[in-house]
Order: sequence, then C-alpha cells, then structure tokens
Amino acid sequence: QKEVEQNSGPLSVPEGAIASLNCTYSDRGSQSFFWYRQYSGKSPELIMSIYSNGDKEDGRFTAQLNKASQYVSLLIRDSQPSDSATYLCAVSLREYGNKLVFGAGTILRVKS
Amino acid sequence: EAGVTQFPSHSVIEKGQTVTLRCDPISGHDNLYWYRRVMGKEIKFLLHFVKESKQDESGMPNNRFLAERTGGTYSTLKVQPAELEDSGVYFCASRGLGPTDTQYFGPGTRLTVL
Repeated sequence: QKEVEQNSGPLSVPEGAIASLNCTYSDRGSQSFFWYRQYSGKSPELIMSIYSNGDKEDGRFTAQLNKASQYVSLLIRDSQPSDSATYLCAVSLREYGNKLVFGAGTILRVKS
Repeated sequence: EAGVTQFPSHSVIEKGQTVTLRCDPISGHDNLYWYRRVMGKEIKFLLHFVKESKQDESGMPNNRFLAERTGGTYSTLKVQPAELEDSGVYFCASRGLGPTDTQYFGPGTRLTVL
C-alpha cells in the first residue's frame, strides 16, 4: 500500500464546474496536509495547507480533512482552463522533520 | 525576496560520470530538503538539512549520492558515479523554522544519464 494515494486521472471537467480531487494516506500520525499544483515541466506550487479536521477555504479552493477516515480532498470551484495541471497531495509529520510524502498526483483537465 | 534557485536546470551526462547539483534556499531558511521525481513515479524525499547538519538522509538511494550544506547556506548534491536509474528531476525545497511553515520548491534540475 502506498503511503499517499491519489487517482491518477485524468479528471476532465468543463469550464465553470467544480473539480473534486481526493487523497488518502496511511500514516495516522500525519499532522500536516498539503495540496500542490504542478504545471508540466515546472516545480510544485503550494495551493492549500490544512492541519485540522474540517474545511478550509481560500478563494476558489476548499481543502477538506477527515483524520478519522485518513482522507483529504481539494475542491476547485468555477474551474478555469488555467487550472489544468497535476495536483499533488502531500502529508508530513513534525517528528520526521516535516519531510513531505507525496502522492503520484491527479491530472486535471478543464475544457473550455 | 528571491525564491529557491537551482543550478543547472538541465544536465545530460554519461553513465559513470559525476554530476553536482546546487540549491540556493530562500535567505534565512534553515530547513533545506532534496527530493527526486523519476519518470512515472511520485516525488520522493531524499534528505533534510537543518542549517549545516543532516537531519534525515533516510531517502538517499545509496552511497553514490553525497549531499553537503557548508555554512548552512547553499547545498550541493553530488552523484558519483551516475547510473541510468539516477535520471529524473531533482527538486530542492526550503522552509523556515515554524512548525507550519511552507516548503517552497525550486524549479528543479532535470538529470539525464545516458
């Protein structure tokens, strides 16, 4: 079992729709959870971080965390073609120096 | 404020040669991480520096990889001798001291070993 699992996609949504990206993790001790966006040939860019159960909203993005289910998700509202990228879920533990453990990423394609 | 920088952006070498990658973290960031993404796989942790000290090198593949961070500023990652399976993109990230501080990634070095 991989430590962080994501559906590789591609996930295709029409422009203006809600894109829903999901991630599960295996280490119950994980404390910090991140969504990074990576355009082809570029470096990962932090979109959202979440540390406690519930929802966290930032503009068109909402991260949701459920530690009991070991599940974290990212919702993108009013999806735009510029949102087309690979979305990486990552988790970390402070006791391990906050090193990030990444999923393989979900490819999102927003069609105009 | 300058972001994390890496040099070179691309490197093509032959099997058996040596390559040195460099990372300059964001000024003032004590934490520096190296990660690698090989084709078709997820980004994997290699090692973590706090200032000049190696905090965790559990992700280093083998003793052909040597990382240094002299003076706690920039870091180098040397691969000697390079093998075909070392090909991939090597990312560096830096982070401040706070427990929830973000890791900022550099643009990466794409290494191709022929």
